[in-house]
Amino acid sequence: QKEVEQNSGPLSVPEGAIASLNCTYSDRGSQSFFWYRQYSGKSPELIMSIYSNGDKEDGRFTAQLNKASQYVSLLIRDSQPSDSATYLCAAYSSASKIIFGSGTRLSIRP
Amino acid sequence: EAGVAQSPRYKIIEKRQSVAFWCNPISGHATLYWYQQILGQGPKLLIQFQNNGVVDDSQLPKDRFSAERLKGVDSTLKIQPAKLEDSAVYLCASSLQDSRNQPQHFGDGTRLSIL
Repeated sequence: QKEVEQNSGPLSVPEGAIASLNCTYSDRGSQSFFWYRQYSGKSPELIMSIYSNGDKEDGRFTAQLNKASQYVSLLIRDSQPSDSATYLCAAYSSASKIIFGSGTRLSIRP
Repeated sequence: EAGVAQSPRYKIIEKRQSVAFWCNPISGHATLYWYQQILGQGPKLLIQFQNNGVVDDSQLPKDRFSAERLKGVDSTLKIQPAKLEDSAVYLCASSLQDSRNQPQHFGDGTRLSIL
């Protein structure tokens, strides 16, 4: 079982709709979670971090954390073509390591 | 604030040759990471430094990979000899401290191709 799992996609969403990206993790002691966006050929760029159960909103982005169910999600409202990228979920584990998932490819179609 | 600097951006070598990558983290960042990212996969941690000390190198293939951060600032990662499976992007990242609240900031990476 992978420590941080994501559906590889591609996830295709029409422009203007809500894109929903999901991530599950196996280490129940994981404390912090991060979402990175990675454009093709570029390095990961931090979008959101979340540490507590519930929702955290920043502009068009909302991160959701449910520690009991061990999942994290990222919602992108009013999706734009520029949101097309790979989204990496990362967890700060109980062993004080950041573990990355393999990423979900998101494609926003006009 | 200047970001994480890496060089070179691209490198092409033949198998069994050696190669070195350089990283300069964000000023004041004590923690430095080297990752290997193979196409279609997430970054895999190779080594983590806290100042000039190694915190975690459990996934570093030590028979061929080495890294150092002598003065607690710049770092180099070396591969000798390179194998075909080393073809990947090598990412350097830094954070203020190694803690759960400190996200990592990535450099642009070095894309390595082994022929």
